[in-house]
Amino acid sequence: DAGITQSPRHKVTETGTPVTLRCHQTENHRYMYWYRQDPGHGLRLIHYSYGVKDTDKGEVSDGYSVSRSKTEDFLLTLESATSSQTSVYFCAISGTHYNSPLHFGNGTRLTVT
Amino acid sequence: SQQGEEDPQALSIQEGENATMNCSYKTSINNLQWYRQNSGRGLVHLILIRSNEREKHSGRLRVTLDTSKKSSSLLITASRAADTASYFCATELNSGGSNYKLTFGKGTLLTVNP
Repeated sequence: DAGITQSPRHKVTETGTPVTLRCHQTENHRYMYWYRQDPGHGLRLIHYSYGVKDTDKGEVSDGYSVSRSKTEDFLLTLESATSSQTSVYFCAISGTHYNSPLHFGNGTRLTVT
Repeated sequence: SQQGEEDPQALSIQEGENATMNCSYKTSINNLQWYRQNSGRGLVHLILIRSNEREKHSGRLRVTLDTSKKSSSLLITASRAADTASYFCATELNSGGSNYKLTFGKGTLLTVNP
């Protein structure tokens, strides 16, 4: 799994509560990504990072924030979880931002009740 | 609308048969990638084919790219039950300057029956 660990693997939370998902890599890759996967939508990019403290929005960034204080860690925060954020969240890493495959973690299944 | 769309959405074959999945896209791309996802796991990269390439092989996998038709195909030869998974194409395009965007399709669910 290319040295990518996502935690937690499963989480159930209530609407309105804050949630933080963690992605940890041991590959020293510069680029890190957060995707969500939903039936009928495939994978959609939430946010990505191109270095420590350097992040940018993806196509579905509303309601999410990210932080990267160290090369190896990329955090995804739902400030106030909503039921529409029930999904499977995947972290991915790559060495370069183009012409480079992504390596994925095994995902976090988040349920917002 | 999706940049990349796989076809068919689902495919069921017998072990030993070949499986072909197709991907169509709308705009010019930098490269096209294929990924596999086993149930409950993350995506695993299979092959990356650049826009100036027409065909690539990796073991039992063969990928073709036709930029004039904006389409790609993934062929798995001599399929095995272990090939049962969802397969996704992803298209990378330059979204301006040094920004690149990788967009995934919704996937093809391949079932290989023993």
